[in-house]
Amino acid sequence: AQRVTQPEKLLSVFKGAPVELKCNYSYSGSPELFWYVQYSRQRLQLLLRHISRESIKGFTADLNKGETSFHLKKPFAQEEDSAMYYCALSGDSNFNKFYFGSGTKLNVKP
Amino acid sequence: GAVVSQHPSRVICKSGTSVKIECRSLDFQATTMFWYRQFPKQSLMLMATSNEGSKATYEQGVEKDKFLINHASLTLSTLTVTSAHPEDSSFYICSAQHKTGITGELFFGEGSRLTVL
Repeated sequence: AQRVTQPEKLLSVFKGAPVELKCNYSYSGSPELFWYVQYSRQRLQLLLRHISRESIKGFTADLNKGETSFHLKKPFAQEEDSAMYYCALSGDSNFNKFYFGSGTKLNVKP
Repeated sequence: GAVVSQHPSRVICKSGTSVKIECRSLDFQATTMFWYRQFPKQSLMLMATSNEGSKATYEQGVEKDKFLINHASLTLSTLTVTSAHPEDSSFYICSAQHKTGITGELFFGEGSRLTVL
């Protein structure tokens, strides 16, 4: 069975500090991994996808198949990064299923 | 940008009644829509995947007779909670995948909070 694990419910850092939100997954095939973000009073929205290897708002995430991880990183956190972050997995090449982790709340303090 | 609208955003009903929640993609055609359920401080639990014109695919443990999903068009999917009970009280969220958009990008509705008395 597929599973997405985000071990931290809450992560607090100071502005300018590096941040890493952890995500581990279990899946028997070759999954596609995503990070979604939910800012206060807004809907969930896509932050980045591993297949595009992009950096969005300074965030990057590398898929490590050996460790089955897809940690989200940013070298210098900003206050506006405070939000709820969800790691997601799609195990179907047609993207017919999406599974989400339990989410990590990032709090960036001034 | 692509917008997904859910209605109603809040609904309170009596035990034993049925409740319908609509999910619409307002400015795009959605190949696939997903229905999630979210318990307080927990993750989004995938309930079912629906494709336009075909039967929904339910996740293990989700009662298909309890949670009826209809995807009649490329812009509308409905979730009907039949014979609702207090344990069905939850936050239900739909999301849609753009037919010609970025592969794997989901657009989320604002969610519907169901309270069954």
